[in-house]
Amino acid sequence: SQTIHQWPATLVQPVGSPLSLECTVEGTSNPNLYWYRQAAGRGLQLLFYSVGIGQISSEVPQNLSASRPQDRQFILSSKKLLLSDSGFYLCAWSVNRETQYFGPGTRLLVL
Amino acid sequence: QKEVEQDPGPLSVPEGAIVSLNCTYSNSAFQYFMWYRQYSRKGPELLMYTYSSGNKEDGRFTAQVDKSSKYISLFIRDSQPSDSATYLCAMSAGSTLGRLYFGRGTQLTVWP
Repeated sequence: SQTIHQWPATLVQPVGSPLSLECTVEGTSNPNLYWYRQAAGRGLQLLFYSVGIGQISSEVPQNLSASRPQDRQFILSSKKLLLSDSGFYLCAWSVNRETQYFGPGTRLLVL
Repeated sequence: QKEVEQDPGPLSVPEGAIVSLNCTYSNSAFQYFMWYRQYSRKGPELLMYTYSSGNKEDGRFTAQVDKSSKYISLFIRDSQPSDSATYLCAMSAGSTLGRLYFGRGTQLTVWP
């Protein structure tokens, strides 16, 4: 069966520090991968998606970036965090292009 | 106008009640309709998945899609305190990108 992992689960970072969040998927090949952010009391905001290794599309201009160095690995990064980057970051995968399955999420607090 | 509208609630019901959650949408290209359940501080979990119009039942949960009205519903029968969560509707047109469009979620509390 397929599983998706995200780490770390929780992260507290100072403003201006770098960020690296990792997502890996097991039990499937060539998935579409997605990064979302969920702010408190708000819906899911799609940040990036990837249909293959090295293929990244951005939905929202910001100081975040994403990379997909391997088929089942998706990384979200920032060189300098802003206070507004705080939130709950979710990784998701899809193979049938009809629905998505989410990871456990990373809670980021920027102070 | 947002593509998917969902009343955020909160909705509070007694144990055993029938719960009705709803979403409306504007894009007639949507063909796949989902309900996710999200417990506090957890990732969304796929609860129900329906293609096109009609009903789908899974235990205490029933999903309904009315494409002519652009309206989807999730019914929970005999609600339990363990059903307390945020419920998100989502839908897609089934494109290669597999993009989903989400409602903002309805927060449900079932009290004993």
